[in-house]
Amino acid sequence: EVQLVESGGGLVQPGGSLRLSCAASGFTVGSNYMSWVRQAPGKGLEWVSIIYSGGNTYFADSVKGRFTISRDISKNTLYLQMNSLRAEDTAVYYCARNRGNWDPLDYWGRGTLVAVSS
Amino acid sequence: DIVMTQSPDSLAVSLGERATITCKSSQSILFSSNNKNYLAWYQQNPGQPPKLLIYWASTRESGVPDRFSGSGSGTDFTLTISSLQAEDVAVYYCQQYYSGYSFGQGTKLEIK
Repeated sequence: EVQLVESGGGLVQPGGSLRLSCAASGFTVGSNYMSWVRQAPGKGLEWVSIIYSGGNTYFADSVKGRFTISRDISKNTLYLQMNSLRAEDTAVYYCARNRGNWDPLDYWGRGTLVAVSS
Repeated sequence: DIVMTQSPDSLAVSLGERATITCKSSQSILFSSNNKNYLAWYQQNPGQPPKLLIYWASTRESGVPDRFSGSGSGTDFTLTISSLQAEDVAVYYCQQYYSGYSFGQGTKLEIK
């Protein structure tokens, strides 16, 4: 059974950093494209970042230069390193598996809440 | 960037009746070489992550009830629930995957 479990969220001050983790089971993170999607409180979905099975990474303009995406194949875990956090980064962050390449997201974790506030 | 616009923002439908949500993209998301529309629909229940319902505009994900159907091509798309059930109360999002990813703003579906 495919499962994704995010962790690492919390309250952080503006300008701070946080690293989110997404532990996967039932499939291999390194063999799939994987994405992060966020949802601000009461708002819609916003794609954040993608990592290809080959390792290429891409980011939304809103986080480019501040966020990095990576994975640890030995731990079957996806990461999102978030630096220079802003109030507008406050959201539930979901990791999701791409069905293939830039394809729909077929499995999602339950999300982890990041709150950026002083 | 491709902008996705859904209508309406909210919708109230009686149990057993048809619900229709539309999604419009700012440019065509039909790829001519394979004649596929790069459009997906997701359902999000309160406090839950989104769930993939439909992809390629009209292909139902495994396990999705057949009362859910998708249609449309180019820039105009529709999600139809043929006979609304109580468990269908949710927010529905369209997503284009033709060029990067972008989502519609969501449509909240409620029981009348």
